[in-house]
Amino acid sequence: GAVVSQHPSRVICKSGTSVKIECRSLDFQATTMFWYRQFPKQSLMLMATSNEGSKATYEQGVEKDKFLINHASLTLSTLTVTSAHPEDSSFYICSARTENYGYTFGSGTRLTVV
Amino acid sequence: RKEVEQDPGPFNVPEGATVAFNCTYSNSASQSFFWYRQDCRKEPKLLMSVYSSGNEDGRFTAQLNRASQYISLLIRDSKLSDSATYLCAVNSLTGGFKTIFGAGTRLFVKA
Repeated sequence: GAVVSQHPSRVICKSGTSVKIECRSLDFQATTMFWYRQFPKQSLMLMATSNEGSKATYEQGVEKDKFLINHASLTLSTLTVTSAHPEDSSFYICSARTENYGYTFGSGTRLTVV
Repeated sequence: RKEVEQDPGPFNVPEGATVAFNCTYSNSASQSFFWYRQDCRKEPKLLMSVYSSGNEDGRFTAQLNRASQYISLLIRDSKLSDSATYLCAVNSLTGGFKTIFGAGTRLFVKA
């Protein structure tokens, strides 16, 4: 139980385009979704916390206009990287807290901006 | 100073060895603690929670020292399949409920 499905798993896009990443909780309701970014050989860095039906809370240094988060339902949260640049290339991963399974992660999205 | 710090390693050990990782955290108000395992280019998976009394799960033992603000993970009888990056994670309520991860310690177990 407690599965978070994340799509796409891998995406390559051109500079200046936008990319949407989806995370769905399949068998539970995720009132809160955490979005992380991980550069090679570095830690998972929390970007923002999304709460169903309200505005996301962004960590210091994360541009809210560049990384748009929407959490419109209890089972879906999305992260849109707008006007992507090569420095946005990274591994993006979502995580939700579950009742009995601690924190469950999506499988991650590897974004490459060319 | 980072909120959660780990020795990045790598730790290179032979099969059957015992290996220990430490992780220190700076926020004394931290409430819960975890060890995750992350394989290359994959998402982290929860290995075990860490309790004040210490806890054991098979070959893995986790301990928490609140006074010194560190947690540890001990792996006994290492297997080749234990090769991965081990992340410690700390939950706190400061600035909103969030989980902060260490950068991870890489372990290579060799035959």
